[in-house]
Amino acid sequence: DIQMTQSPSSLSASIGDTVTITCQANQDITYYLNWYQQKPGKAPNLLISDASNLEPGVPSRFSGSGSGTDFTLTISSLQPEDIATYYCQGYDNRAPIRTFGPGTKVDLK
Amino acid sequence: QVTLRESGPALVKPTQTLTLTCTFSGFSFNTIGMCINWIRQPPGKALEWLGHIYWDDDKFYNTSLKTRLTISKDTTKNQVVLTMTDMDPVDTATYYCAREYSTSGAFDYWGQGILVPVSA
Repeated sequence: DIQMTQSPSSLSASIGDTVTITCQANQDITYYLNWYQQKPGKAPNLLISDASNLEPGVPSRFSGSGSGTDFTLTISSLQPEDIATYYCQGYDNRAPIRTFGPGTKVDLK
Repeated sequence: QVTLRESGPALVKPTQTLTLTCTFSGFSFNTIGMCINWIRQPPGKALEWLGHIYWDDDKFYNTSLKTRLTISKDTTKNQVVLTMTDMDPVDTATYYCAREYSTSGAFDYWGQGILVPVSA
């Protein structure tokens, strides 16, 4: 099964900062990588699918990149409502298993 | 409007079997490619994918839990059911169901989740 790692596990940033979160798979998953935002007490919300496809309604300050084993989520100009935990989720299309990363908690400095 | 809602017991005792129901609306589970997933999240911890069921009744499970899990569907009731046997306090978590309807394996709609404590 694929394994996902994320770094950092947590970060503190100021409003307006650019925030970068990385996610790594232990095998090539091409572009089958999705990003979610989860706020306390709420279900996760899909932000980006297929590594870089922004979901409808998601602000354009969110972007995703990468392929193969290494992926990045970038938040340009952090806003107060972006304070949350972010999870990557990989999918090996050779075996229908889904795996989440351990999460990255973003809070205000 | 797509919605999903989890329902089940408020408390489960150790060794019991957990049964959760995901009731959905706003889409047809008979649509080719449709899939419902189950995910859980222990308090303060990360998300863990449990398994899923496809429109054609294909099912796949988390490798480490598959001996304890069964997922089934009743399309006439718009429901998907998760059973997990031999519950333990470490299984205390919020359990979510989520829809998947794309080639990316992404979960585009989620239920609100149900907290299932496991305690004697």
